[in-house]
Amino acid sequence: DGGITQSPKYLFRKEGQNVTLSCEQNLNHDAMYWYRQDPGQGLRLIYYSQIVNDFQKGDIAEGYSVSREKKESFPLTVTSAQKNPTAFYLCASSQGDRNEQFFGPGTRLTVL
Amino acid sequence: GQNIDQPTEMTATEGAIVQINCTYQTSGFNGLFWYQQHAGEAPTFLSYNVLDGLEEKGRFSSFLSRSKGYSYLLLKELQMKDSASYLCAPLDSNYQLIWGAGTKLIIKP
Repeated sequence: DGGITQSPKYLFRKEGQNVTLSCEQNLNHDAMYWYRQDPGQGLRLIYYSQIVNDFQKGDIAEGYSVSREKKESFPLTVTSAQKNPTAFYLCASSQGDRNEQFFGPGTRLTVL
Repeated sequence: GQNIDQPTEMTATEGAIVQINCTYQTSGFNGLFWYQQHAGEAPTFLSYNVLDGLEEKGRFSSFLSRSKGYSYLLLKELQMKDSASYLCAPLDSNYQLIWGAGTKLIIKP
C-alpha cells in the first residue's frame, strides 16, 4: 500500500531541546512539504522540496530545518530557536503540476 | 497579497444540504482544491476544479467561477460523519497551494 508515514503520532519534549520529526513516502513523488497547523487556523508552509538535495523555505521557516538526502524521506527538525513549537505538524507529497497533495497522519508536538 | 475567505463555522441538520463558500485572491490561478479534515487527522482530497462550472462526485459537488474568484462545496444528504473542517485551497501561479483557515461544519441529528 502506497502512502506517507509520520512518526511518532504524539511527541513530548522539554523546552530548549531540538526534536526531529520523521516523514517517509513510498508514492515515488518528487515534491514533499512540511506544514504546521495551530488550533482554528489553516495550514502554514514551513519548508518544501521539489527534488532530492534541494529545498526552499516556506512562510514560517524560522526555527526549523530540513534535509532531503533521499527521495522517500524529508525529516523536519524543530530547533530550540522556534519560539512556539507546540503544534500539529503535517507532511505531504505531490507529483506533477496539479500538485494534489497527499498527507501523512501528522505528529502532534507538545513542548513542556 | 493572497487571501482566502471561508466562513469559520456552519451548522446543518442530518439529511439536509449545505453549501460552503470560498472566495479567493491569488497571484495567478491554476485550479482549486477542496479537502476534508476531521479533528486531529490529516486533510484528505475531495475535489479539484480548474475550469468554470460544477463537478459532481456522489454526495459532494464543487463549483468554480474564475472571473469572480469564487468556489463552493455542496454537500447533500448530510451524514453525521460529514462533521469536519472543509479547506479551500487555490493553486497560485507557482503551483503552490494557498490554504484557507477552513470551515468547521457541525451536523446535528
